[in-house]
Amino acid sequence: DTGVSQNPRHKITKRGQNVTFRCDPISEHNRLYWYRQTLGQGPEFLTYFQNEAQLEKSRLLSDRFSAERPKGSFSTLEIQRTEQGDSAMYLCASSFPPLTRRAGYGYTFGSGTRLTVV
Amino acid sequence: TQLLEQSPQFLSIQEGENLTVYCNSSSVFSSLQWYRQEPGEGPVLLVTVVTGGEVKKLKRLTFQFGDARKDSSLHITAAQPGDTGLYLCAERLNDYKLSFGAGTTVTVRA
Repeated sequence: DTGVSQNPRHKITKRGQNVTFRCDPISEHNRLYWYRQTLGQGPEFLTYFQNEAQLEKSRLLSDRFSAERPKGSFSTLEIQRTEQGDSAMYLCASSFPPLTRRAGYGYTFGSGTRLTVV
Repeated sequence: TQLLEQSPQFLSIQEGENLTVYCNSSSVFSSLQWYRQEPGEGPVLLVTVVTGGEVKKLKRLTFQFGDARKDSSLHITAAQPGDTGLYLCAERLNDYKLSFGAGTTVTVRA
């Protein structure tokens, strides 16, 4: 297993367009998380899945955002009608459930998808 | 959600020098993680501290957790250019969510 994989690495889109990102977690991990990181800030929690169930969505996740994890494997994050304020690094992470000593209490992050809305 | 304050915001040093970065909160941490993030990459977990007063070492990196579990520090001895990155502390809020500080950007000049 090569870790958490995210595609694409970079995405430039025009305001108003829809974009979709993909995350492939570590296969043993049944928890998957999406975070957003803007310049000069730490990552902020967006949502998480246990298997295929989406168990929490942050208030940061407006109705233009939707995340899915069909079959509890890979996940997609879609942003509809993008706005310039959506420009950020979108990070995916996975872990064993729950955050335990087995996981070192932490996540394995992917390399992220850098979104630029022009 | 308590606010994690990291200081300094930026730190630039010469190769071979030592450095310390800090993570503080007004409330008690349940546990704290330190991550390093290189430009264009995701954060990588360095260590988790759980017990007040705990000290952990990872090669040239020394992590301390305050006795009262309200603060933590990361000390790097004889810094190398490969240590350059954004150092983030994160608190475990529950069994699935972490809250991150804004990070300290460390630049080690060759």
